[in-house]
Amino acid sequence: KAGVTQTPRYLIKTRGQQVTLSCSPISGHRSVSWYQQTPGQGLQFLFEYFSETQRNKGNFPGRFSGRQFSNSRSEMNVSTLELGDSALYLCASSYHSGQGAQNTEAFFGQGTRLTVV
Amino acid sequence: AQTVTQSQPEMSVQEAETVTLSCTYDTSENNYYLFWYKQPPSRQMILVIRQEAYKQQNATENRFSVNFQKAAKSFSLKISDSQLGDTAMYFCAFMKLPGGGNKLTFGTGTQLKVEL
Repeated sequence: KAGVTQTPRYLIKTRGQQVTLSCSPISGHRSVSWYQQTPGQGLQFLFEYFSETQRNKGNFPGRFSGRQFSNSRSEMNVSTLELGDSALYLCASSYHSGQGAQNTEAFFGQGTRLTVV
Repeated sequence: AQTVTQSQPEMSVQEAETVTLSCTYDTSENNYYLFWYKQPPSRQMILVIRQEAYKQQNATENRFSVNFQKAAKSFSLKISDSQLGDTAMYFCAFMKLPGGGNKLTFGTGTQLKVEL
């Protein structure tokens, strides 16, 4: 069974540009979450999608957005890039909805390393 | 809102020795999951062990075990017979249940180095 796949693995963008990152979850997983990891702020939750609906959103500006498709693949977009957006962006997929008391586990991809210059 | 605190930024241990990583958390929730994730240099986050708050028995996975103290809001990870492959950043994480929606709140991490 293939794991969580994130593309691209590395990306260099110029300040002011926009970027789209992609995440393909494990087959059968309907929940996809996104996290930003930086040395200064650590791991911070961006948003989570389940069955194409955004259920949770972290404390990030509106420049950060996402969506999920009917096949559960997810994309996140960052517009008007700033130097501070340089980070490792991690995607995680889960089978369960996270709404009940099921034995849940999040499986992570290898991340996309975004550098803004 | 929940917070997770890891007070040990770095730790080192000799191969085959035992090491304990600390984690405390703050929440008003009664039911939740706690996790330890490992992030090696490859950057891929790997689940090490998970504990459900309503279970009093401490979770164990091979060489990894936890000491879960719900009243004290403490969740430490013990690694026995440390191996070189255990060298990684370890993150403690919290998920509210039910209704957490798979959102994880992470601590700042502990960099563990296993030495010969």
